[in-house]
Amino acid sequence: DIQMTQSPSSLSASIGDRVTITCRSSQTISNYLNWYQQKPGKAPNLLISAASGLQTGVPSRFTGSGFGTHFTLTITSLQREDLGVYYCQHTYGIPYSFGQGTKLEIK
Amino acid sequence: QVQLVQSGSELKNPGASVKISCKASGYRFGNYGMHWVRQAPGQGLEWMGWISTISGNPTSAQGFKGRFVLSLDKSVDTAYLDIHSLRPDDTAVYYCAREYGSGTYYFDYWGQGTAVTVSS
Repeated sequence: DIQMTQSPSSLSASIGDRVTITCRSSQTISNYLNWYQQKPGKAPNLLISAASGLQTGVPSRFTGSGFGTHFTLTITSLQREDLGVYYCQHTYGIPYSFGQGTKLEIK
Repeated sequence: QVQLVQSGSELKNPGASVKISCKASGYRFGNYGMHWVRQAPGQGLEWMGWISTISGNPTSAQGFKGRFVLSLDKSVDTAYLDIHSLRPDDTAVYYCAREYGSGTYYFDYWGQGTAVTVSS
């Protein structure tokens, strides 16, 4: 089974900062990598699919990149509403799995 | 609009069973697979398994075989998750999620979650 590892587990940043979250897979997954944001008490929300495909309605300050085993989610100018937990997910065959999550707090 | 509406919160005794429903609307049910995800209190997301809405064939993750049963009722566009012999560590929020799958695969719509509490 493919294991997904995110770093950092948590981070605190200021409004306007550039924030980067990393996700690594235990084996190559091409670009079958998605990013979700989860706000407290809510279901996850898809931000980016296929490593770099921004979903409709998601602000352009979110960008995804990577291929193979190393992926990043970048928020170019952090806004207050970006607080929450971010998860990567691979869909390179069953069983799917998620990273452990990155909790983003605003300073 | 696409919606996945799950059944309400449950409080169960250890050893009991629970059935969670996920009612889909706003799209052709048979065109998208349905997945289930567990989130224990304060923890991350755990993929449980999925069910083909065409064949009804379920596939469960290794840790969710046996007591966890996925099923469908295509006549009412609803997916179900049954959990038997409940244990306190089954306490979690359970989500259903629709999978978009055409060249790339992702969960584009999620249910609101069903909280299951197992306690005596």
